[in-house]
Amino acid sequence: DQQVKQNSPSLSVQEGRISILNCDYTNSMFDYFLWYKKYPAEGPTFLISISSIKDKNEDGRFTVFLNKSAKHLSLHIVPSQPGDSAVYFCAATSGNQFYFGTGTSLTVIP
Amino acid sequence: KAGVTQTPRYLIKTRGQQVTLSCSPISGHRSVSWYQQTPGQGLQFLFEYFSETQRNKGNFPGRFSGRQFSNSRSEMNVSTLELGDSALYLCASSLVGRYYGYTFGSGTRLTVV
Repeated sequence: DQQVKQNSPSLSVQEGRISILNCDYTNSMFDYFLWYKKYPAEGPTFLISISSIKDKNEDGRFTVFLNKSAKHLSLHIVPSQPGDSAVYFCAATSGNQFYFGTGTSLTVIP
Repeated sequence: KAGVTQTPRYLIKTRGQQVTLSCSPISGHRSVSWYQQTPGQGLQFLFEYFSETQRNKGNFPGRFSGRQFSNSRSEMNVSTLELGDSALYLCASSLVGRYYGYTFGSGTRLTVV
């Protein structure tokens, strides 16, 4: 039972444009959400997080939006850079266990 | 400071064999979690250990087991290997408290032939 879903396996974006990665969840008890970035042959690294009491969190070029009524969160990267090319995982938690999505592979085209 | 260290990085085993993977967390991190990553399945939670006790367990068969030592190092064991066990196994450690998130190791790539 996939409680966190990333329905787009891949996304291609031109350098300098906006990248929008989407994530849906089913468990209304989730109250903390995170995005991780993964390069090949490396473990995922933490990117940005958001608590359910907020609807937006920004860190430099990265902004995460949370829509609790729709059980949807998104990651915006502006402007996109070739170094952003990686697999992005969203994750959610309501306790000690984190649930991850299946990942979206982002390719930023120079 | 040193990150999460997983050994070995790569492993090739034959069906029916067993395997043990090791994870050394960041110093001070007492929680260690294990995930299996396969194409199309994302990161599937195996189990979490905290202070030598299994605190959470995912939906994997009993062939998958783990343990944590007093120094927080953790091992994961898979017995009677199947071809479908081929995957990247990731270990993640965290401070007490979920808001810190995880720090992942680079993983062990297991291939079962």
